[in-house]
Amino acid sequence: DSGVTQTPKHLITATGQRVTLRCSPRSGDLSVYWYQQSLDQGLQFLIQYYNGEERAKGNILERFSAQQFPDLHSELNLSSLELGDSALYFCASSVELAGDTQYFGPGTRLTVL
Amino acid sequence: AQSVAQPEDQVNVAEGNPLTVKCTYSVSGNPYLFWYVQYPNRGLQFLLKYITGDNLVKGSYGFEAEFNKSQTSFHLKKPSALVSDSALYFCAVRPPNTGGFKTIFGAGTRLFVKA
Repeated sequence: DSGVTQTPKHLITATGQRVTLRCSPRSGDLSVYWYQQSLDQGLQFLIQYYNGEERAKGNILERFSAQQFPDLHSELNLSSLELGDSALYFCASSVELAGDTQYFGPGTRLTVL
Repeated sequence: AQSVAQPEDQVNVAEGNPLTVKCTYSVSGNPYLFWYVQYPNRGLQFLLKYITGDNLVKGSYGFEAEFNKSQTSFHLKKPSALVSDSALYFCAVRPPNTGGFKTIFGAGTRLFVKA
């Protein structure tokens, strides 16, 4: 158990809908990262937050947004969902801004029908 | 462009035999290098990392990795494979001095260890 929690475990929704994925980092970790894992794209970095502020952006679509709250939990919002958004979404956390080791949550499996 | 390559989609090895999972990278400067493992329906788990120092890094579950600067490689190794090592392995590179940071993950190599 990495200490990173993600909810929900599974999410099934329809195209055009909006969903929110939630992540609680390990106790004491200030950095939160979001990744998308799909069969054809592999593991893609989406975005990083550190202590409430956005610090790095990867291949995140404009339809997706994230935030980190004062209690350091983070939410990833996915809107106008498309079939291609079906994937595993992972959250990871680390202690520092440019932290080395990341600790991954169990993931949220999103299925868009 | 910065990149990480895992040239083998799949590696098959018999239990008890040594295993190697290959990783090469193209990143300027001195990056941090990592290996992670993913078991079915689980998140990635940290195995080991190289930052500086000895080129041979030892990690969890008996794994080790060898850093080769001239070949820009960071191959994962284990002297004697176990069936329970069967999983998806990711090499990752963190470019140096990026301000915020974006870890680059390889595409993953699936390891099958046969009894």
